[in-house]
Amino acid sequence: DIELTQSPSSLSASVGDRVTITCRASQSISNHLNWYHQRPGKAPKLLIYAASNLQSGVPSRFSGSGSGTDFTLTISSLQPEDFAIYYCQQSYDIPYTFGQGTNLEI
Amino acid sequence: EVQLLESGGGLVQPGGSLRLSCAASGFAFSDYAMTWVRQTPGKGLEWISRLSHRGGTYYADSVKGRFTISRDNSKNTLYLQMNSLRVEDTALYYCAKDTGVRGFPAFDPWGQGTLVTVSS
Repeated sequence: DIELTQSPSSLSASVGDRVTITCRASQSISNHLNWYHQRPGKAPKLLIYAASNLQSGVPSRFSGSGSGTDFTLTISSLQPEDFAIYYCQQSYDIPYTFGQGTNLEI
Repeated sequence: EVQLLESGGGLVQPGGSLRLSCAASGFAFSDYAMTWVRQTPGKGLEWISRLSHRGGTYYADSVKGRFTISRDNSKNTLYLQMNSLRVEDTALYYCAKDTGVRGFPAFDPWGQGTLVTVSS
């Protein structure tokens, strides 16, 4: 199975900050990498698909980059609603796997 | 608006069975692959099964041979039949719609989840 490792596991930031979360795959997955966030008590929500494509309806302050084994999610200016847990997920090979999550806290 | 509504969760003894349902609305259900993902505090998010729009089925090793994914396109409903349940199957189970981007599976939206507890 392809293992995804996110860093950091937790991150404290303030409204207006620029933050970056990384996801490293245990083998090359081309650009088959998706990003989600999950607010407390809610289901995960897709932010970025295929490494760098913004899902419809997602604010443009979210962006993704990377290819191969190393990927990043960047939030250009944190808003209060962005404090959540962020997950990467690979769709290169079944079983599709998720990273362990990054808890973005105020 | 696309909506997914899971049901069927509950408390079951080890070795028992449950069938989860996911009622879909707001999109052409038969045209999209659908997925089940579960979440536990200890293991985080775990992909467990996918059903393509053409009927292909895929499973995680942890549930293969015990769980069966299916769909009824006439009812716009996705199912997960879970047999031989184990304590470690205890989780919040989500269904999710594939985005439909060819070659790049991704899950959006997700339902609200249904809780399965396996305990004696």
